[in-house]
Amino acid sequence: AQTVTQSQPEMSVQEAETVTLSCTYDTSESDYYLFWYKQPPSRQMILVIRQEAYKQQNATENRFSVNFQKAAKSFSLKISDSQLGDAAMYFCAWSLTGGGSNYKLTFGKGTLLTVNP
Amino acid sequence: DSGVTQTPKHLITATGQRVTLRCSPRSGDLSVYWYQQSLDQGLQFLIQYYNGEERAKGNILERFSAQQFPDLHSELNLSSLELGDSALYFCASSTKVRGNEQFFGPGTRLTVL
Repeated sequence: AQTVTQSQPEMSVQEAETVTLSCTYDTSESDYYLFWYKQPPSRQMILVIRQEAYKQQNATENRFSVNFQKAAKSFSLKISDSQLGDAAMYFCAWSLTGGGSNYKLTFGKGTLLTVNP
Repeated sequence: DSGVTQTPKHLITATGQRVTLRCSPRSGDLSVYWYQQSLDQGLQFLIQYYNGEERAKGNILERFSAQQFPDLHSELNLSSLELGDSALYFCASSTKVRGNEQFFGPGTRLTVL
């Protein structure tokens, strides 16, 4: 079974600085997706960034970027120029890809990010 | 706004009761996923429907069932409720064309007293 581990239950960062959230996963599959979801106090789950395992290039979305190390099964999220609105619980997630239609997400336990003004 | 709607937003009920949670996916999305978020278990996949058919089951209790209707909306039925069923229940939808990007609804907060 696939597992996703987020070893940092809580992190804090000063506004305008950079923070990196860690995620490791375990799978025997070669084709899969990795995601970072954000859950602010409103509880809405918001997709932050997505990475396809077959792509060597790290995904970026504005101030958010990932460091995807497939051999090490590591998928960290870097938030640059942190803003107060980035404060949230961040979940790392994994899903299978391929020809089927089941893409259920397996989530880590989450990292609570606090942004200090 | 993800385009996925869930009703009701909050539900308070008693042990032993039965409730139904409703989800309407984004227009055009054929897949509906149900997830449970609790303090104990974190975010867990419950069940998936694709175009009206059950496609995958996760850690879903036998007391729970779901279905997807011809108009693609889905319902999650929870029966013989226990205190431990109190959780946030999310519905998410996706379209195969866009790969596996899942769009989550706002969730239904279930409290069992």
